[in-house]
Amino acid sequence: DSGVTQTPKHLITATGQRVTLRCSPRSGDLSVYWYQQSLDQGLQFLIQYYNGEERAKGNILERFSAQQFPDLHSELNLSSLELGDSALYFCASSVEGTTGELFFGEGSRLTVL
Amino acid sequence: QQQVKQSPQSLIVQKGGISIINCAYENTAFDYFPWYQQFPGKGPALLIAIRPDVSEKKEGRFTISFNKSAKQFSLHIMDSQPGDSATYFCAASTNWGADGLTFGKGTHLIIQP
Repeated sequence: DSGVTQTPKHLITATGQRVTLRCSPRSGDLSVYWYQQSLDQGLQFLIQYYNGEERAKGNILERFSAQQFPDLHSELNLSSLELGDSALYFCASSVEGTTGELFFGEGSRLTVL
Repeated sequence: QQQVKQSPQSLIVQKGGISIINCAYENTAFDYFPWYQQFPGKGPALLIAIRPDVSEKKEGRFTISFNKSAKQFSLHIMDSQPGDSATYFCAASTNWGADGLTFGKGTHLIIQP
């Protein structure tokens, strides 16, 4: 158990809809990262937050947004969903500036029909 | 642009053999090179990592070899066991891992008993 909690584990929705994925980092970790995992693209970095502030952006679509709250949990919002958004979405956390090790949750599997 | 190229995509090794997975990178600013192991239904977990000031790091049966001039690094699994069957991802990062990770596309390793 990595200590990172993600909900929901599975989500099925329709095209055009909006969903919110939630992540609770390990106790004490200030950084939260979101990754998208698909069969053809592997693990794609979406966005990073550090102590409530956006720190780095990767291949995140404009239809997607995220935030980190004062209690350090994070939410990834996916809107106007398309079939191609079906993937596993991972949250990871880390203690900033140390070993760089990321601790991953078990992921949220999104299926868009 | 894929910044970390990983090969092979899949690998079958007999029990007791050596598993070798290779990665190449382009960004010379990368200074942290971890390998992550992922089992089905789980998030990736850190296996072993190396910084470019050393050419090799060994932890148990797992060894990273690093060639800075060639911009390549590899994972060797000695005495491979069926329990090692998993997907392996190489990754790279700047700022000693604090900036998030760029992952290779993964290698699906099967160890045959």
